[in-house]
Amino acid sequence: ETGVTQTPRHLVMGMTNKKSLKCEQHLGHNAMYWYKQSAKKPLELMFVYSLEERVENNSVPSRFSPECPNSSHLFLHLHTLQPEDSALYLCASSQDRGSYNEQFFGPGTRLTVL
Amino acid sequence: GQQLNQSPQSMFIQEGEDVSMNCTSSSIFNTWLWYKQDPGEGPVLLIALYKAGELTSNGRLTAQFGITRKDSFLNISASIPSDVGIYFCAGRNYGGSQGNLIFGKGTKLSVKP
Repeated sequence: ETGVTQTPRHLVMGMTNKKSLKCEQHLGHNAMYWYKQSAKKPLELMFVYSLEERVENNSVPSRFSPECPNSSHLFLHLHTLQPEDSALYLCASSQDRGSYNEQFFGPGTRLTVL
Repeated sequence: GQQLNQSPQSMFIQEGEDVSMNCTSSSIFNTWLWYKQDPGEGPVLLIALYKAGELTSNGRLTAQFGITRKDSFLNISASIPSDVGIYFCAGRNYGGSQGNLIFGKGTKLSVKP
C-alpha cells in the first residue's frame, strides 16, 4: 500500500464512548499531522509530530489525545467527545517540517458524535 | 488566527470554459500550495510555488505566486467534468510556526457537461 492511509473511514460514536483513529504513512516521512475539517471552515491544524515527538498542540481540548509510536504511525484517541466534534479528521505527512516539505493527506475519517 | 481569503467560494461553469480562482493574505508568504479535494477523500497536492512571481503548470492547471508575496492564483483551462471538487489554497508565512500551513476555505467547482 502506498501514500497515507487512515482507518476507519467512517465512525459513529456516542459522547461516552472511547475510540481511536489510525493513520499510517508509507512514504518514509518524518513529520505527521492531524487536521480537523469542518463544513465551511478552513482546515484546522490540531497536532504536529516530528521524529515521533509532539512539537505542536494547537489548543486542542484534552478529549483528543494523539500518539505517535513510530514515524510511520499516528493515532488520535477520542473520549467523551461532543456533537460539535463531528467533522472529517485528516492525517498528513511530510518529509520533514519547514519549507519545501509539502504535506500529503490521507483520505480522512468521517466522525459523527451523537 | 491568521486566515487566507479565497475566492470565489463556488463556481458553476460549462464544460470547456476556463476557471480562475485566487487567494490573498494580509501577510507575506514564502510558499503557496494548491490542493484539490474530491468528495469523501483527502486533499491532493496539485501545484507548489516557492518563489515570488513563479508561474507553474500541471497539465491544464497553472498557478502563480504573486509578486507581492501576498496572493496566488490558480487557473484551469478547458474544464472537464472530472475537474469537479473543492480547490484549496494553502500558504506558509515567514515567522510562523515552522512548517505549518494556513488554508483557505476552498472554492467549490461544479462543471456542467
